[in-house]
Amino acid sequence: EVQLVESGGGLVQPGGSLRLSCAASGFTFSSYGMNWVRQAPGKGLEWVSYVSSESSTIYYVDSVKGRFTISRDNAKNSLYLQMNSLRAEDTAVYYCARESLDYYDSSGYYSRFDYWGQGTLVTVSS
Amino acid sequence: DIQMTQSPSSLSTSVGDRVTITCRASQSISTYLNWYQQKPGKAPKLLIYAASSLQSGVPSRFSGSGSGTEFTLTISSLQSEDFATYYCQQSYSTLWTFGQGTKVEIK
Repeated sequence: EVQLVESGGGLVQPGGSLRLSCAASGFTFSSYGMNWVRQAPGKGLEWVSYVSSESSTIYYVDSVKGRFTISRDNAKNSLYLQMNSLRAEDTAVYYCARESLDYYDSSGYYSRFDYWGQGTLVTVSS
Repeated sequence: DIQMTQSPSSLSTSVGDRVTITCRASQSISTYLNWYQQKPGKAPKLLIYAASSLQSGVPSRFSGSGSGTEFTLTISSLQSEDFATYYCQQSYSTLWTFGQGTKVEIK
């Protein structure tokens, strides 16, 4: 059974730092790209960051560039999000999500987030 | 960035009703469109990918259609467990974006 379990959330002051972790099990972690998606209280979903299976490709949403760093350790089946210079608007539940690909030709594929963790709450407040 | 706009933002309906939710993209995204269901306090769940492919384990009352800029999610006969918020997501760009959500409520 595929499982993703986030941890590391909590209350932090503006300007502070936090490191989120996502422990993966039930699948070959090193074969999948992984994402962080967040949801502010009462709001919709916002994709935050992506890392490819071997960490060769990384993307961020503009609002976190230069402040957040995504990483992974395939030996430990773990995904991380280092969050620095936190702002009130970063307050949200943070989910890790696995990306699955469906190839329709040699280079074209469809991407989907097929498994999600239960989320960890990050609150940025003084 | 590709903007995704869902309509309606919310709807009140009854068990057994047919429900249709629309998602529009700010540019053509072919069929690079996914649909998710989210219940309060829970993680999102993938329903439909590639605009019309049903994710394994998802009931067949859910279906998706569309291409280009306009897409629909249809629930053929709403069940009590389907009251939730639904999100579309484009996967055409690797800067994935979601619609704002459609909340399906009990009338």
